[in-house]
Amino acid sequence: QAGLTQPPSVSKALRQTATLTCTGNSNNVGNQGAAWLQQHQGHPPKLLSDRNNNRPSGISERFSASRSGNTASLTITGLQPEDEADYYCSTWDSSLSVRVFGGGTKLTVL
Amino acid sequence: EVQLVESGGGLVQPGGSLRLSCVASGYSFSTYSMNWLRQAPGKGLEWLSYITSSSSAIYYADSVKGRFTISRDNAKDSLYLQMNSLRVEDTAVYYCARDKKAPDYWGQGTLVTVSS
Repeated sequence: QAGLTQPPSVSKALRQTATLTCTGNSNNVGNQGAAWLQQHQGHPPKLLSDRNNNRPSGISERFSASRSGNTASLTITGLQPEDEADYYCSTWDSSLSVRVFGGGTKLTVL
Repeated sequence: EVQLVESGGGLVQPGGSLRLSCVASGYSFSTYSMNWLRQAPGKGLEWLSYITSSSSAIYYADSVKGRFTISRDNAKDSLYLQMNSLRVEDTAVYYCARDKKAPDYWGQGTLVTVSS
């Protein structure tokens, strides 16, 4: 089952802004949006934004999600050392009736 | 506080079976859909299966279809994954996750190792 496409790695300086992308198609990202999850090494993933770009309670406003066509984006402003983690996008594929994930982007904060 | 606790992982030989459990607390389990997902060592997240709140709809990834069975017992606030015909490539940390427009709460995971 085809997954979503994310860049394997992104590096940005402290206090800068990082924008992570996630590309799918009209059956998944294009009509369902995408959720974003953060995972630190050795820990389970944590939801940052649901498919409607809503942040769960307790998630910093520095994390914001958006979508344009078949590409979803996660923007992280004012990068902090604790933002260094793996980031995954995910959504439901309405054609395949499966949940798909991106391969993940490793964010390095320099 | 929402909590999900997986159990049942361990070492199993190829071709063997395991049953994973996930006990939920801190919310009304019977009103939410649930997922099983996994993460192989050093790899990304992989979705395995989804079950609606009343078990009326169930979906599987192709990689586990016909081998794994998801189920739930709302009276026990519990989710299950019966895994049969296990393969070496099924080695991973297995997570259960609540579903609310996305897998929003995750357990800590249980490690399944398939090896001879």
